[in-house]
Amino acid sequence: TQLLEQSPQFLSIQEGENLTVYCNSSSVFSSLQWYRQEPGEGPVLLVTVVTGGEVKKLKRLTFQFGDARKDSSLHITAAQTGDTGLYLCAVPASGGSYIPTFGRGTSLIVHP
Amino acid sequence: DAGITQSPRHKVTETGTPVTLRCHQTENHRYMYWYRQDPGHGLRLIHYSYGVKDTDKGEVSDGYSVSRSKTEDFLLTLESATSSQTSVYFCAISARDRVRNEQFFGPGTRLTVL
Repeated sequence: TQLLEQSPQFLSIQEGENLTVYCNSSSVFSSLQWYRQEPGEGPVLLVTVVTGGEVKKLKRLTFQFGDARKDSSLHITAAQTGDTGLYLCAVPASGGSYIPTFGRGTSLIVHP
Repeated sequence: DAGITQSPRHKVTETGTPVTLRCHQTENHRYMYWYRQDPGHGLRLIHYSYGVKDTDKGEVSDGYSVSRSKTEDFLLTLESATSSQTSVYFCAISARDRVRNEQFFGPGTRLTVL
């Protein structure tokens, strides 16, 4: 069973601050996805990282895949209230399985 | 946005009654999933489908059954609802690229069992 540990579990910050959340495992993955889930809605795919060391940017969000493809980070610059939500990381099913693995998420609240 | 809808969006029912939730997709994706999401537990897989009439259990399948008679529809049935099944249910679809396996989620169904 692949286990994804996300940290911190909760984060409460003021608008304008920077933050980083993490997704860690002891397993090597072919790719890793980040999702954001806003209150009352389903998760929405933000990005997929595939190559070790890969960095992707989505406006103020910067995603990095670890060199060994075991971990990933999400950095938000100058957080806005619209960034509030649950951030989930996930990895594809392995071997012959059809079941992806999700972390439990980091719940972010950005206060005005 | 991926074309995926869920119905109903909200439902209140009583213990012991049967409940069916519907997931409908217009993307022609092969893989479909039902999850439940509860505080402190994250997303937990109930059942999934890897093709028409091909389904299998997830980690929390007890008390739930599914059916997929068409590519576009995946039904989740609670044969006899219990209060422990009060939750938010999400359907997801995936084209299952072997490297990426990106999932696209529906808007969710909030189910309350009294």
